[in-house]
Amino acid sequence: KQEVTQIPAALSVPEGENLVLNCSFTDSAIYNLQWFRQDPGKGLTSLLLIQSSQREQTSGRLNASLDKSSGRSTLYIAASQPGDSATYLCAADNFGNEKLTFGTGTRLTIIP
Amino acid sequence: GAVVSQHPSRVICKSGTSVKIECRSLDFQATTMFWYRQFPKQSLMLMATSNEGSKATYEQGVEKDKFLINHASLTLSTLTVTSAHPEDSSFYICSAKFAQGSGYTFGSGTRLTVV
Repeated sequence: KQEVTQIPAALSVPEGENLVLNCSFTDSAIYNLQWFRQDPGKGLTSLLLIQSSQREQTSGRLNASLDKSSGRSTLYIAASQPGDSATYLCAADNFGNEKLTFGTGTRLTIIP
Repeated sequence: GAVVSQHPSRVICKSGTSVKIECRSLDFQATTMFWYRQFPKQSLMLMATSNEGSKATYEQGVEKDKFLINHASLTLSTLTVTSAHPEDSSFYICSAKFAQGSGYTFGSGTRLTVV
């Protein structure tokens, strides 16, 4: 059974700093690894999708990496802004199981 | 593309009544949709997988008679919370996959409050 963990659970950083959010998973037979953002009381917004054959994806100030052998993914946010404050969730999509397994989330606060 | 629309965004109902939540794929056909529940400050918990034209598959511990799922078309799945009680108050979110190999797209969620 896939288990996904995110560390840290909460993070506060000053505006402008670069930061890394971590995601680890126990079953490396993943199809995709997807990062989402959730604002309070809202649904999930997909940020980046990394397919199993890829090692990273980039979108603007965001870069996500995937290392299946070590069971890890990271989300790098460059030049953080107050608007980046949200909860970030990673989710693993395993082969043969059309279900997402979500991590516990990291609540990010960017301090102006 | 790949937009999932969910309605209503908020609903308040009296204890004992039923509430229906709709999830629509706007620009693609979704043979499978997923329903999640989220408690405050917790991650998403998969409740059931909705399959077009067939019965939904429920996760362990989810009461199928309480949470009725209907997926009557390739663009619409509905979740009906029957005989709602205050403990059913939660945030419900649906999702769908645009295509094989694509990621998942989520609706905006429904905040259900049972009074």
